[in-house]
Amino acid sequence: AQSVAQPEDQVNVAEGNPLTVKCTYSVSGNPYLFWYVQYPNRGLQFLLKYITGDNLVKGSYGFEAEFNKSQTSFHLKKPSALVSDSALYFCAVRLDSGYSTLTFGKGTMLLVSP
Amino acid sequence: DAMVIQNPRYQVTQFGKPVTLSCSQTLNHNVMYWYQQKSSQAPKLLFHYYDKDFNNEADTPDNFQSRRPNTSFCFLDIRSPGLGDAAMYLCATSSGNGRALNEQFFGPGTRLTVL
Repeated sequence: AQSVAQPEDQVNVAEGNPLTVKCTYSVSGNPYLFWYVQYPNRGLQFLLKYITGDNLVKGSYGFEAEFNKSQTSFHLKKPSALVSDSALYFCAVRLDSGYSTLTFGKGTMLLVSP
Repeated sequence: DAMVIQNPRYQVTQFGKPVTLSCSQTLNHNVMYWYQQKSSQAPKLLFHYYDKDFNNEADTPDNFQSRRPNTSFCFLDIRSPGLGDAAMYLCATSSGNGRALNEQFFGPGTRLTVL
């Protein structure tokens, strides 16, 4: 079985400050990890993924995430937050072998204040 | 632009009245998914098609059915909607073979209201 935990329901940060949205995962094998963002009344938009290689993955809109195998984490980061980054963020995981579908975390609401 | 399209964006139906939601894609992806998402919760996978092969999640109610007449189109049928079926329904697509399913691309969703 695979699972994802996003321990924070909401993250508040001031514009211009760095942001971190936390994600930990559990899989019985090597993970493929993803971050998606969802704006109100919209579908999910793909931000970035970790498959293999460098632990630091860069994605859309200046976001990046660091894969940490020992801590089973894949935290989403951005050096300088924008008000327009305010949205719901989902972490997701699937196995790298065989055939498996995505398991999503419950989501973290990011609020960036001006 | 290649994309995933869902129609309608908003659907209102009556309790027990069958409803069909549609999804089309211009990405030529071989996998299509239907998710149910309730208010600010994680999307819950209902089922997906891997090419023509239908894969139902174990906890998807029988009330939910799907059809995929061709690569581009996929439909979600709710045979007898209940109040608890009011949600956002998301369609997604991805490409690849069994080992290398790539990231999923989502449509904008259809918000279903059941009166």
